[in-house]
Amino acid sequence: GAGVSQSPSNKVTEKGKDVELRCDPISGHTALYWYRQSLGQGLEFLIYFQGNSAPDKSGLPSDRFSAERTGGSVSTLTIQRTQQEDSAVYLCASSLARASGFRSYNEQFFGPGTRLTVL
Amino acid sequence: QKEVEQNSGPLSVPEGAIASLNCTYSDRGSQSFFWYRQYSGKSPELIMSIYSNGDKEDGRFTAQLNKASQYVSLLIRDSQPSDSATYLCAVEDSNYQLIWGAGTKLIIKP
Repeated sequence: GAGVSQSPSNKVTEKGKDVELRCDPISGHTALYWYRQSLGQGLEFLIYFQGNSAPDKSGLPSDRFSAERTGGSVSTLTIQRTQQEDSAVYLCASSLARASGFRSYNEQFFGPGTRLTVL
Repeated sequence: QKEVEQNSGPLSVPEGAIASLNCTYSDRGSQSFFWYRQYSGKSPELIMSIYSNGDKEDGRFTAQLNKASQYVSLLIRDSQPSDSATYLCAVEDSNYQLIWGAGTKLIIKP
């Protein structure tokens, strides 16, 4: 079946502009995650959705960052007034996020990412 | 603060040898553990999940879990140059959230 898709794959923008990044999760996956990864660095958690609600927004770096998810499917991450330090690869992942017995079905599957460059 | 620790490497292993990657975690309540492989310029790819103490084998990969000692490891047998990548350890906490290690860079030398 289709995996997680993200668009655009690359985005170059000027400092101060707003950008929207899109994520389309695996069909049937209820949980959706946004991460950021700067060059040579580890994954930085941004926000998590369960259905359409975001129980954990703790990772959003500033109020310039926001995200929404509609219909329990597609999610959009918006960065307002972009800064050069926002340049990174933005990764989206989805999972079933449910438990059964002793294990959870929480394997996260990643999209290919959006490489954002702020000039 | 829940933490997952990995040696950043690089870990250099000759082709054909066994590569051993280790990960320790702080949350004793963790029940699910994952290894991801990330090639340079690509997104992480799930390669192993493990939930019970002991070993789990999948082809050339073996994941080992010891909850008492709070460590999980990944062994790669007959290492190939194509195994060169960064390996990320992820541990599910009691809130079903994944806590990520920073990754170990593995280099397989031909």
